[in-house]
Amino acid sequence: DIVMTQSPDSLAVSLGERATINCKSSQSVLYSSGNKNYLAWYQQKPGQPPKLLIYWASARASGVPDRFSGSGSGTDFTLTISSLQAEDVAVYYCQQYHSTPPWTFGQGTKVEI
Amino acid sequence: QVQLVESGGGVVQPGRSLRLSCAASGFTFSGYGMHWVRQAPGKGLEWVAVIWHDGGNEYYADSVKGRFTISRDNFKNTLYLQMNTLRAEDTAVYYCARGTSTFDYWGQGTLVTVSS
Repeated sequence: DIVMTQSPDSLAVSLGERATINCKSSQSVLYSSGNKNYLAWYQQKPGQPPKLLIYWASARASGVPDRFSGSGSGTDFTLTISSLQAEDVAVYYCQQYHSTPPWTFGQGTKVEI
Repeated sequence: QVQLVESGGGVVQPGRSLRLSCAASGFTFSGYGMHWVRQAPGKGLEWVAVIWHDGGNEYYADSVKGRFTISRDNFKNTLYLQMNTLRAEDTAVYYCARGTSTFDYWGQGTLVTVSS
């Protein structure tokens, strides 16, 4: 199984500042034939279900603000919130869909103000 | 709009059974794979099971294999999770989620508590 490891476990960022979350997979999630990374990011606000933010490592899901961006390839990925807003307080999870089953998630990163 | 509504959660004793349901609306249910994902209190997300759009394939996490069964009724637009021989460590909010690779829509979840 592919193990996903996020860092840090939590971070506090001032309003308007940049937040950066890292995700590392135990094996590459890149399919070279299609040059696609099978990596997604989710946002989970308190008391709510997760919401898909990013897929293919860098494609924003419908309706996701452009302050959210994903980058990386192979085994190392980053979710960046360019200018943190109060409504971005949440736990963020990365997830791989390269080698399934199982679908595996990182342990989560809590973002606070 | 896409809606997924779980039901069937509750408090159950260890060793007993429970069946969860997920009613889908707002999309062509028979065209999508569906998953169950769970989240223990204060913990992260754990994938539980998937079923193909036509019910032709199903896969399970090792932690539930042999105890849980995922199924669907494409006429009733409903996804199910039959949970047998429940353990304390199965205590979690259970979400149904749409998708085959990524999970693009999630329900609000239903809480299952396994306790004597």
